[in-house]
Amino acid sequence: DIQLTQSPSFLSASVGDRVTITCRASQGISSYLAWYQQKPGKAPKLLIYAASTLQSGVPSRFSGSGSGTEFTLTISSLQPEDFATYYCQQLNSYPLYTFGQGTKLEIK
Amino acid sequence: EVQLVESGGGLVKPGGSLRLSCAASGFTFSSYSMNWVRQAPGKGLEWVSSISSSSSYIYYADSVKGRFTISRDNAKNSLYLQMNSLRAEDTAVYYCARKGSRGTGDAFDIWGQGTMVTVSS
Repeated sequence: DIQLTQSPSFLSASVGDRVTITCRASQGISSYLAWYQQKPGKAPKLLIYAASTLQSGVPSRFSGSGSGTEFTLTISSLQPEDFATYYCQQLNSYPLYTFGQGTKLEIK
Repeated sequence: EVQLVESGGGLVKPGGSLRLSCAASGFTFSSYSMNWVRQAPGKGLEWVSSISSSSSYIYYADSVKGRFTISRDNAKNSLYLQMNSLRAEDTAVYYCARKGSRGTGDAFDIWGQGTMVTVSS
């Protein structure tokens, strides 16, 4: 099975900061990676698919990059509504579409 | 509006059974593969099961294989998860999620609000 490791697991930042979250795959997954945002008590929301394509309606301050085994999610200027937990998911190994362990982004 | 609405969660004793439902609306349900994903309290997301659009292909995580059964009724725009021999470690919020088309990289683009399953004596 393909394992995904996110870093960091916890991130403290301020409004306006630029933050980057990394997701590393245990083997190459081309660009078959998605990023989700989850707020407390809510369902996950798709942000980015195919490693770098923004889902419709997602603000342009979110961006994704990478291929193979290393991927990043960047938020260019944090807004109050961005404080949440972020998950990566590999979509290379159907149907075992494993998730990373999550990165909790908190207000400093 | 594209929507998924889960129901059927609740409190059940270890060894018991529960059937979850997921009602789809706002899209052509029969054209999409569907999934169940769960999240234990305070934990991350775990893929549980998937079913193809015509039910031809069905898959399970090892943690639920032999105990859970996924099914769908395209005429009723509904997805189901029959959960038997429940264990404490099955306690979680269960989400149904639509697997998007190749155009969205197969990502899970629509999620329900979730239904809580608690397994406890």
